[in-house]
Amino acid sequence: GAVVSQHPSWVICKSGTSVKIECRSLDFQATTMFWYRQFPKQSLMLMATSNEGSKATYEQGVEKDKFLINHASLTLSTLTVTSAHPEDSSFYICSARPTGDPGANVLTFGAGSRLTVL
Amino acid sequence: DAKTTQPNSMESNEEEPVHLPCNHSTISGTDYIHWYRQLPSQGPEYVIHGLTSNVNNRMASLAIAEDRKSSTLILHRATLRDAAVYYCILRGYNQGGKLIFGQGTELSVKP
Repeated sequence: GAVVSQHPSWVICKSGTSVKIECRSLDFQATTMFWYRQFPKQSLMLMATSNEGSKATYEQGVEKDKFLINHASLTLSTLTVTSAHPEDSSFYICSARPTGDPGANVLTFGAGSRLTVL
Repeated sequence: DAKTTQPNSMESNEEEPVHLPCNHSTISGTDYIHWYRQLPSQGPEYVIHGLTSNVNNRMASLAIAEDRKSSTLILHRATLRDAAVYYCILRGYNQGGKLIFGQGTELSVKP
């Protein structure tokens, strides 16, 4: 079955530093990937849609200069949290939709990356 | 986006069937009904989806009301590993593939 890998699975950083999270589709190509954020005891919140070879589409209220998304290949999207602050501490989850099947109904999610900013 | 309403939490006993309800009274004709679940500290995983007819797979069954304004996810024999948050999500065909999550139902399974 389709597998999406996220790295790192957890990361601790100092306030003011930047952190990069990778999302890879291991056995399929994904033109489109999605990035979510989840705070404790809350649901997933869609942050942005990552499109291979073009700019990401951000949801309302998500700062694009704060959360940089790069989707340079059909199997890799990265999320960089720039100048991280403690309030950015969260569980970041990516998902991917297979290329060539715009009506594909099933998304595959990564296991998530837990970011803690000190 | 059409919204869904689910109970915040439900309890079940191990090896008994579980019926998880979802109301979606504003569903449109092209909205698919998707169910995903999220185990603790994991990303969500796909469970099942349907449009109009009831659906079965190895994980669960999906029963869709005739008017499509509600649906029920059925776990035939709950196990401790089924303890998770279950999300019922409507997905339009031309929505670009993204899923908008509601609050979901937290299912606990007692041994």
